Amino acid sequence: GAGVSQSPSNKVTEKGKDVELRCDPISGHTALYWYRQRLGQGLEFLIYFQGNSAPDKSGLPSDRFSAERTGESVSTLTIQRTQQEDSAVYLCASSLRTSGETQYFGPGTRLLVL
Amino acid sequence: GESVGLHLPTLSVQEGDNSIINCAYSNSASDYFIWYKQESGKGPQFIIDIRSNMDKRQGQRVTVLLNKTVKHLSLQIAATQPGDSAVYFCAENHDNYGQNFVFGPGTRLSVLP
Repeated sequence: GAGVSQSPSNKVTEKGKDVELRCDPISGHTALYWYRQRLGQGLEFLIYFQGNSAPDKSGLPSDRFSAERTGESVSTLTIQRTQQEDSAVYLCASSLRTSGETQYFGPGTRLLVL
Repeated sequence: GESVGLHLPTLSVQEGDNSIINCAYSNSASDYFIWYKQESGKGPQFIIDIRSNMDKRQGQRVTVLLNKTVKHLSLQIAATQPGDSAVYFCAENHDNYGQNFVFGPGTRLSVLP
């Protein structure tokens, strides 16, 4: 079946603008994760959704970052008033459940804030 | 999270040789581990996993070894090929982390012709 998809694949924006990134998880996967990956660095956890439970937002770096997910489907990550330090690849992953389950990653959205 | 800035540890191997990539994990109670491969411009791809009740698991050309005593994980790639060139991440999981895995900083594998 189809893997995790993300859109757009690339986004260039001006400092101060808002951006919205989209993630379509694998069908049937109840868990969805957002990560940030700066150039040449590892994965930084941002937020996690599990079914209809309250999301784990513990990794969001500031209140400019927010995310939503409708049921067990699409998720959007919104960054308001973007800053140059927000430039990174934003990766989405999904898994069947939570702990102890493999996460499958999308190709990422490359965000460049000028 | 952890990072090594812009200079990932790099391992260079000759094509056809075996590669060993190491990872030190942080939580002695972690019970599930994954190795991911990330090629340039792509998201991480699952390679192989292992649970804490095992110390070795083999896949196609890859073997993962787990040493819980020293909290060490390694990925062995047999007969390394040019297509193996990528950044490799280990990830550990435990219920105490809540709902997310903790990823290592990554190692860049460069296969020399």
